[in-house]
Amino acid sequence: DIQMTQSPSTLSASVGDRVTITCRASQSISTWLAWYQQKPGKAPKLLIYDASSLESGVPSRFSGSGSGTEFTLTISSLQPDDFATYYCQQYNTFSSLTFGGGTKVGIK
Amino acid sequence: EVQLLESGGGLVQPGGSLRLSCAASGFSFSYFAVTWVRQSPGKGLEWVSAISNSGGNTYYADSVKGRFTISRDNSKNTLYLQMKSLRAEDTAVYHCAKGGYGNYYFDYWGQGTLVTVSS
Repeated sequence: DIQMTQSPSTLSASVGDRVTITCRASQSISTWLAWYQQKPGKAPKLLIYDASSLESGVPSRFSGSGSGTEFTLTISSLQPDDFATYYCQQYNTFSSLTFGGGTKVGIK
Repeated sequence: EVQLLESGGGLVQPGGSLRLSCAASGFSFSYFAVTWVRQSPGKGLEWVSAISNSGGNTYYADSVKGRFTISRDNSKNTLYLQMKSLRAEDTAVYHCAKGGYGNYYFDYWGQGTLVTVSS
């Protein structure tokens, strides 16, 4: 199975900060990677797919990059609505989809 | 508007069975893969199972293989998860989610149904 490792697991930031979250795959997944945002008690929301494609309706301050085994999610200017937990997910292998462990973005 | 509505969760004893349903609306259900993803209290997301648009291909996490069965009825726009031999570690909120175009990322999610396995 492909393991997905996110870092950091938690981070504290202020409104307006640039935030970067990293996701590493245990083997190459090309660009078959998605990013989700989840708030407490809510369903996850798709932000990015195919590593860098912005889902319709998602603010442009969110961006994704990377290929192979290393990927990043960047929030260019953190907004109050962005405090949440973020997950990456690989879909290179349909028979064994995997999520990263999550990164909780909190208020500094 | 795309909607996914899960049902069938509840309290079940270890070793018991439960069937979850996910009623889909607002999109052409038969065109898309769908999946179940669970989240134990206070934990991260764990993929459980997925099924192709036709139902011809099914996939399972090792943790549920042989105990859970995913299926779909495209005439009823409904996804199912039959769960058997349930364990305490299966306790979680179970979400269904719709696949993206031709792929297994998930662009719409239901709010989930809680399954509690306890004596």
